[in-house]
Amino acid sequence: NAGVTQTPKFQVLKTGQSMTLQCAQDMNHNSMYWYRQDPGMGLRLIYYSASEGTTDKGEVPNGYNVSRLNKREFSLRLESAAPSQTSVYFCAGRGAGANVLTFGAGSRLTVL
Amino acid sequence: AQRVTQPEKLLSVFKGAPVELKCNYSYSGSPELFWYVQYSRQRLQLLLRHISRESIKGFTADLNKGETSFHLKKPFAQEEDSAMYYCALSVGSGNTGKLIFGQGTTLQVKP
Repeated sequence: NAGVTQTPKFQVLKTGQSMTLQCAQDMNHNSMYWYRQDPGMGLRLIYYSASEGTTDKGEVPNGYNVSRLNKREFSLRLESAAPSQTSVYFCAGRGAGANVLTFGAGSRLTVL
Repeated sequence: AQRVTQPEKLLSVFKGAPVELKCNYSYSGSPELFWYVQYSRQRLQLLLRHISRESIKGFTADLNKGETSFHLKKPFAQEEDSAMYYCALSVGSGNTGKLIFGQGTTLQVKP
């Protein structure tokens, strides 16, 4: 039982490059979330998806886009990466009727 | 505004000492609060939630609405408690609900 799976685990980009972080869950979660983790800033919500086909902005959405094509997958895209987007990114899922998040292992992104 | 504040970036104690990790929140609705923990090289995971009123790994947390606090306590710290701890507040309801996290506190338990 994989839970929440994120790929890639590590990525180095140059400023201006684009990339997509992938997240998939096999827990039948309705809601999915993308957070970034930065020292001294904690976890900040980038985007979330309450259900398949819907997405909403979180606290820090600028510079990101998301896509929830089906119930299992929720991807995060950086169209033109900036050094300020160097961070560890976490995907999480939440099942219906519960307020508990299940997190992926994280993706460490460095933008040079 | 909805906000979670953890005033301490780092808390360092000796093994066997009491631990209190502070968390304050700001929320106009009825709060639902959580503590999440991230051990070294492990995923972020739920430690406890206030509605369960349970003790997990010796940790407890009581919601104090008057002081808008949800401090995490343990009477005798163990070395294996060393980790990053996040306090989180649930806002919204149903599928549209989301968790807002504090800045995190690193707990270091020295032998």
